[in-house]
Amino acid sequence: EPEVTQTPSHQVTQMGQEVILRCVPISNHLYFYWYRQILGQKVEFLVSFYNNEISEKSEIFDDQFSVERPDGSNFTLKIRSTKLEDSAMYFCASSAEGGSTDTQYFGPGTRLTVL
Amino acid sequence: AQSVTQLDSHVSVSEGTPVLLRCNYSSSYSPSLFWYVQHPNKGLQLLLKYTSAATLVKGINGFEAEFKKSETSFHLTKPSAHMSDAAEYFCVVRGVLSGGYNKLIFGAGTRLAVHP
Repeated sequence: EPEVTQTPSHQVTQMGQEVILRCVPISNHLYFYWYRQILGQKVEFLVSFYNNEISEKSEIFDDQFSVERPDGSNFTLKIRSTKLEDSAMYFCASSAEGGSTDTQYFGPGTRLTVL
Repeated sequence: AQSVTQLDSHVSVSEGTPVLLRCNYSSSYSPSLFWYVQHPNKGLQLLLKYTSAATLVKGINGFEAEFKKSETSFHLTKPSAHMSDAAEYFCVVRGVLSGGYNKLIFGAGTRLAVHP
């Protein structure tokens, strides 16, 4: 069964450093998403991406964040200058076609720890 | 705005007994509702979804949920718990066109413990 994969599973970085979180969505999917979950809090939407551009983003997704689909298989989230409060589990998801009946399939997550 | 409230942060049941995980939603429109499960060190897996077809939705692993508009509820049930059901369960609603159609809005989660 196809699945979304994410690397690395755990990333530790120093405050102020840049990090890139990587995701490989399901191969025939067209919509891509990032969510995050700060420890003890709800899973929160960050951004959705379709047709090589951001389709929606939350207020969390400020200028420190960017997303990219550098090739036909990867989808990345970059945080330019990490802050302590960026420590969270980051989930990538993908879906086939958008719309009300669409299902988003999630990866296992990357745990980001900012020291 | 769309939102969901999971009424219990922790539920503990004995193996073989019924499971009930409660969720209430708030929506200005006919909602699309989902239940996802997360086992330790695993991704979020879809259990079932409601998208305005049948109000009783059957999912994987024997779970089902009933959409009740009058009660704004979408509770998750299973007749007989299994040890492997121990996990965190999330009730989720989809955003609307005016406020993020493709984003999912998560509840706080319910941790289900199953005892022998």
